[in-house]
Amino acid sequence: GAVVSQHPSWVICKSGTSVKIECRSLDFQATTMFWYRQFPKQSLMLMATSNEGSKATYEQGVEKDKFLINHASLTLSTLTVTSAHPEDSSFYICSASSWGTSTDTQYFGPGTRLTVL
Amino acid sequence: GENVEQHPSTLSVQEGDSAVIKCTYSDSASNYFPWYKQELGKRPQLIIDIRSNVGEKKDQRIAVTLNKTAKHFSLHITETQPEDSAVYFCTRYNFNKFYFGSGTKLNVKP
Repeated sequence: GAVVSQHPSWVICKSGTSVKIECRSLDFQATTMFWYRQFPKQSLMLMATSNEGSKATYEQGVEKDKFLINHASLTLSTLTVTSAHPEDSSFYICSASSWGTSTDTQYFGPGTRLTVL
Repeated sequence: GENVEQHPSTLSVQEGDSAVIKCTYSDSASNYFPWYKQELGKRPQLIIDIRSNVGEKKDQRIAVTLNKTAKHFSLHITETQPEDSAVYFCTRYNFNKFYFGSGTKLNVKP
């Protein structure tokens, strides 16, 4: 099946710093990638939808200047949390949709646990 | 609206019993309904899905039913096993977005 990787798997940073998370589709070309945030014991909340070569579409309430998304190729999307604060600590998960097959199937990455001190 | 209502939030069953999780939605344009299983700290795993032109789908011990008129769909797990213990999410798909339910924590007691 399709494989999606994320890097790093976990990161601890100081308040005010920026953190970049990478999401890669390893064996398929992803026309669309999704970024989710999941707080402990809660559901996945869609943050933004990223299409290759175009600007990301952010969900209501998600600050696009704080959560920068770049989808430079069909296999890579990045999420940068700028000026991170403790309230940004969360589990960030990406998923990718596969071109050429059923584009409404999404494959999840393993997630990145961000802790902001 | 966009939300998917999911019930119950927690479910505890004895090994071998059946478990049922129910979800409702309001957007009639939704046409694809996958279910995910998530173990603690892991990524969600697709376990079964159903499209709007089908009323029921079964895969071994797992089945999903969809009532598009009433806008609700359900997950049925039979002969539950301890390894079925996890959080289950229903989702709906529309206009290139997935909307998740709030999750059901299933505990299967041996």
